Amino acid sequence: EPEVTQTPSHQVTQMGQEVILRCVPISNHLYFYWYRQILGQKVEFLVSFYNNEISEKSEIFDDQFSVERPDGSNFTLKIRSTKLEDSAMYFCASSEAYSLNTEAFFGQGTRLTVV
Amino acid sequence: GESVGLHLPTLSVQEGDNSIINCAYSNSASDYFIWYKQESGKGPQFIIDIRSNMDKRQGQRVTVLLNKTVKHLSLQIAATQPGDSAVYFCAEIPGGYQKVTFGIGTKLQVIP
Repeated sequence: EPEVTQTPSHQVTQMGQEVILRCVPISNHLYFYWYRQILGQKVEFLVSFYNNEISEKSEIFDDQFSVERPDGSNFTLKIRSTKLEDSAMYFCASSEAYSLNTEAFFGQGTRLTVV
Repeated sequence: GESVGLHLPTLSVQEGDNSIINCAYSNSASDYFIWYKQESGKGPQFIIDIRSNMDKRQGQRVTVLLNKTVKHLSLQIAATQPGDSAVYFCAEIPGGYQKVTFGIGTKLQVIP
């Protein structure tokens, strides 16, 4: 069964450093998403991406964040200068379409710890 | 602000019993709702969805009920199994986009 894969599973970084979280969406999917879940809190939408540009983004997705599809398979989330409060589980997801009744498939997440 | 939330943070049920997980939402503009299951160490997994023009939808062992009058959503799991143990999130989508807003989640514990 096709799945979304994320690497690394756990990333520890020092405050102020840049991190890149990587995702390989399902191959025939066209829409990509990043979510985050701070420990003990709800999953929060960050950004959606289609046709090499951002479709939607939340208030959380400020100038410190960027997304990119550097090649035909990877979808990355970059945090330029990490803060302690960026520590969270980051989930990538992908879907075939961007409409009702289209299921988004989630990866297993990358746990980011900022120290 | 408007939000999605859950009544019960933890629910324990005996194996074989039926489970009911509840959710309250407050965004009256939401027209699409999803239940997700999240097992330990994994990402959210789609279970079942329902549009606002429906009040009930059934899947395999799961049923979602929507009461728009009181803005209430529930997930019923029939004959609960140990593999059903997970955190269950209700979520809403305003409009036709995948900008899912999740609730806090209810932890379902199945007692063998």
